[in-house]
Amino acid sequence: AQKITQTQPGMFVQEKEAVTLDCTYDTSDPSYGLFWYKQPSSGEMIFLIYQGSYDQQNATEGRYSLNFQKARKSANLVISASQLGDSAMYFCAMREGLEGYQKVTFGIGTKLQVIP
Amino acid sequence: GAVVSQHPSRVICKSGTSVKIECRSLDFQATTMFWYRQFPKQSLMLMATSNEGSKATYEQGVEKDKFLINHASLTLSTLTVTSAHPEDSSFYICSALPTSTDEQFFGPGTRLTVL
Repeated sequence: AQKITQTQPGMFVQEKEAVTLDCTYDTSDPSYGLFWYKQPSSGEMIFLIYQGSYDQQNATEGRYSLNFQKARKSANLVISASQLGDSAMYFCAMREGLEGYQKVTFGIGTKLQVIP
Repeated sequence: GAVVSQHPSRVICKSGTSVKIECRSLDFQATTMFWYRQFPKQSLMLMATSNEGSKATYEQGVEKDKFLINHASLTLSTLTVTSAHPEDSSFYICSALPTSTDEQFFGPGTRLTVL
């Protein structure tokens, strides 16, 4: 079974609008961490936001927020006030365990295009 | 912030040659570094976990004799693709884990093209 599922291969959003990128995960480990990364066309992976499985509140980082629904095993990324520079691939990832040396598994990504 | 560099950023080589890719943590020490491979329009796949001073741990299906990893210091890990073939053409990305945190920092990637 896929550990990370991203069902939206591509998304369009109007500039200044909000957009939600979907991510569901599968694990039996009670301790895990969820990540979102942005990959522009240049290739580098840019860390956006992190949510630990025991975190009570949804993570937020500036215009990024993670809608963490533990019972549904979903960790959707919400980008508010989209900007043209947000156009990129977005990857959801999970680490089973809370230690940094543990393996991180990535989803297949969602390509976001922001329209002027 | 934590910066990770990779060298070279792009390499083209002939089939059968070996290519070495360096991953350096510039402003922090990293006991653990990770090597990923990303084929076009696909996700990152972990190849191996590299620990300073010990043998790398390879993921299932990754040939350790083909992808040699050396993590000789707390700031440098190298990946050598031996006897490269066209099917090894890919984007190779490393990440480094500072000794003081649980967050990986990614390098900018190396695009390998094997002719």
